[in-house]
Amino acid sequence: AQTVTQSQPEMSVQEAETVTLSCTYDTSENNYYLFWYKQPPSRQMILVIRQEAYKQQNATENRFSVNFQKAAKSFSLKISDSQLGDTAMYFCAFVMDSSYKLIFGSGTRLLVRP
Amino acid sequence: EPEVTQTPSHQVTQMGQEVILRCVPISNHLYFYWYRQILGQKVEFLVSFYNNEISEKSEIFDDQFSVERPDGSNFTLKIRSTKLEDSAMYFCASSESSGVVGELFFGEGSRLTVL
Repeated sequence: AQTVTQSQPEMSVQEAETVTLSCTYDTSENNYYLFWYKQPPSRQMILVIRQEAYKQQNATENRFSVNFQKAAKSFSLKISDSQLGDTAMYFCAFVMDSSYKLIFGSGTRLLVRP
Repeated sequence: EPEVTQTPSHQVTQMGQEVILRCVPISNHLYFYWYRQILGQKVEFLVSFYNNEISEKSEIFDDQFSVERPDGSNFTLKIRSTKLEDSAMYFCASSESSGVVGELFFGEGSRLTVL
């Protein structure tokens, strides 16, 4: 069975600094997709970034980038130049190519301090 | 900006009662989902729905649960006889034709409390 693990329940970062959120996953599949979703307080979850497992190049979206290590089954999220609006719960998620089922990690609550 | 809307935001019900949670997905989306999050636990997949039928469901989605798209705009989750352990936040989501490997758009959730 596939699992997603986020080992950091809470993290804190000073505004304008960089923070990295960790995620590891377990699967025997070769074709899959990985995601980071953000859930601000009392708001809906929104997609931050997506990575296809067949792509070696790490995905980047503005201040957000990932470090995808397929052999290590690691998928960390780096937030550069942190902003107060980045304060949210961040979920790592996995889906197999053949499935509709997103599997989520337990989330990391990130606080950006002014 | 189009968004997924869910009603009610919070519902309190007695054990054994039927509950219907409603969702209005984004209008041009073709894939619809329900997820739930029990307090302090992970977000869990319940069901996906495409072309008016269930495309995938989890082991949680037993005979007590059903989904329906009654009128081409709403997408509902029905729990026939609620149990205490059904207390959770229920999230609806939708996506375009690329399915789940594209971007899922989530609603803000419906909190269900079963007493």
